[in-house]
Amino acid sequence: DGGITQSPKYLFRKEGQNVTLSCEQNLNHDAMYWYRQDPGQGLRLIYYSQIVNDFQKGDIAEGYSVSREKKESFPLTVTSAQKNPTAFYLCASSPRTASNEKLFFGSGTQLSVL
Amino acid sequence: SQELEQSPQSLIVQEGKNLTINCTSSKTLYGLYWYKQKYGEGLIFLMMLQKGGEEKSHEKITAKLDEKKQQSSLHITASQPSHAGIYLCGLFSAGGTSYGKLTFGQGTILTVHP
Repeated sequence: DGGITQSPKYLFRKEGQNVTLSCEQNLNHDAMYWYRQDPGQGLRLIYYSQIVNDFQKGDIAEGYSVSREKKESFPLTVTSAQKNPTAFYLCASSPRTASNEKLFFGSGTQLSVL
Repeated sequence: SQELEQSPQSLIVQEGKNLTINCTSSKTLYGLYWYKQKYGEGLIFLMMLQKGGEEKSHEKITAKLDEKKQQSSLHITASQPSHAGIYLCGLFSAGGTSYGKLTFGQGTILTVHP
């Protein structure tokens, strides 16, 4: 089945530790996105990538890093510089970057701090 | 400040009642999306609107786009418990260095009592 897979579903981070959230898609989509969602709030854009080997900062990129070495993969690293990482993280993809393309979302990763 | 403002932030209705959620943008609407989310899960695409005056329907949900007011409304007729969840509007950015960004409002939490 085609879709977006996020793993793990739940992740715990110790203070000072970097953790990486996985996002894989087999939809052959060019564009991929990472969002953060805090309880009772909407989605805030962290990073997005329009093509392989290229990505742009979103609205809250500080404390996060990404890579886009392969079309199907867009991992997000939450670094120790992110002081409040507890949140629900959503990955999405779209066929291309255009105003008439909808986003397909993964099922999310809940990150908590120990 | 938020690019997209949704109102109300939360809504509680009795089953069978009609309801409306609004989404107002501070920017020109090139593409306006509506998604639904169950808590702790990914987003499900509902509708996409691109042209002023455009109106789309899916089952008992109708969305309209008022380009002049830079606003969209989502209307649910004869609400059911299955309509409960978080409704989010999203805006595609077509200008300058922000091209390709898809940002979201803060969401409207809908509760439907049987």
